[in-house]
Amino acid sequence: AQSVTQLDSQVPVFEEAPVELRCNYSSSVSVYLFWYVQYPNQGLQLLLKYLSGSTLVESINGFEAEFNKSQTSFHLRKPSVHISDTAEYFCAVTTDTGRRALTFGSGTRLQVQP
Amino acid sequence: SAVISQKPSRDICQRGTSLTIQCQVDSQVTMMFWYRQQPGQSLTLIATANQGSEATYESGFVIDKFPISRPNLTFSTLTVSNMSPEDSSIYLCSVSTGDQPQHFGDGTRLSIL
Repeated sequence: AQSVTQLDSQVPVFEEAPVELRCNYSSSVSVYLFWYVQYPNQGLQLLLKYLSGSTLVESINGFEAEFNKSQTSFHLRKPSVHISDTAEYFCAVTTDTGRRALTFGSGTRLQVQP
Repeated sequence: SAVISQKPSRDICQRGTSLTIQCQVDSQVTMMFWYRQQPGQSLTLIATANQGSEATYESGFVIDKFPISRPNLTFSTLTVSNMSPEDSSIYLCSVSTGDQPQHFGDGTRLSIL
């Protein structure tokens, strides 16, 4: 079985500052990794994914995450945040065998302040 | 990516009643999943909805409480039975095909009085 740990429940940051949301996972087999974002009163949207290949993955709105197998991490970063980035961010993992159900971390609330 | 429609989007129900949530996808998908998100918490998998067979439930969830149907490759329902205030949550449907990431519906926000 796999597990996901998001170390920070809340991350307050000022607008235009950089941010890093941390995610560590545990699994005995190969994994696929994801970041989802949930804006207030909305469902989950896929932000970015690591399936294979380059360990650095990027989203269209400036976020990036790097898969680090030795440290079992998949931290999310953005060099300059906007007010509109305020949301809940979930890291998730699934294995490449079986039913591909997602295991989610506990979530990190990013609060961008003016 | 698949477009997922979930109905109802929200509801307020009386304890002891049941509610059926629908998940409709605009294309055929291999896997459909149902998750629960309790207030202020992360998502927990309830079950995997298998087409043509019974759903596969996770530990802590039982068919009598959360019966699931999946009559075809584009549709599934989740029923929350004999509801109590502890069932107040967001219920989300997600779909997956092959190696593609799961995509989620907007969820059903359920409050039990």
